[in-house]
Amino acid sequence: EVQLVESGGGLVQPGRSLRLSCTTSGFTFDNYAMHWVRQPPGRGLEWVSAINWNGGSTDYADSVKGRFTISRDNAKNSLYLQMNSLRAEDTALYYCAKAGHGFDFWGQGALVTVSS
Amino acid sequence: DIQMTQSPSTLSASVGDRVTITCRASQSISNWLAWYQQKPGKAPKVLIYKASSLESGVPSRFSGSGSGTEFTLTISSLQPDDFATYYCQRCDTIRGTFGQGTKVEIK
Repeated sequence: EVQLVESGGGLVQPGRSLRLSCTTSGFTFDNYAMHWVRQPPGRGLEWVSAINWNGGSTDYADSVKGRFTISRDNAKNSLYLQMNSLRAEDTALYYCAKAGHGFDFWGQGALVTVSS
Repeated sequence: DIQMTQSPSTLSASVGDRVTITCRASQSISNWLAWYQQKPGKAPKVLIYKASSLESGVPSRFSGSGSGTEFTLTISSLQPDDFATYYCQRCDTIRGTFGQGTKVEIK
């Protein structure tokens, strides 16, 4: 059974940093690109970042470029999102998602709240 | 960057209705489009990939069509379980930009 489990969310002050993790199982992790997608409360889905199978290629939404860094550890079947210089508008539920037929598996999400 | 625009934003329909949602890309994405269903408090679920391929386990009342810049998701006979929000997504590059969503409500 494919599973993706996010962790590391929480309440953080504006300007501070937070690191999200996504631990996976049930599939060959290093065969697939992985993504982060976020959803602000009551709003739609926003694609945030992607990383290819070996970490050699990454991409970011303009809204997070230069502040967020995606990475992966294939030995640990894990995906990460380092979020720096956080802003109130980064408040959202952050999902990790596996690339396949579209994004075919998703985690349950990690809530990040940026507030003073 | 390619923008994805869905219409309508909200749709009111009854059980048994045929429902169509449209998604337009600002530039051609060939058939690299996916459709998702999201229910409150749940992660999105992929319904359609490559514009018209039905994901395994998804009921056949869901279908997708289109290519280039215009795409549609059709529910042939709306069921109570189908009241949800639907999103399109470009899949032509590593970027995965979503449309703004279409909420299907009970009429």
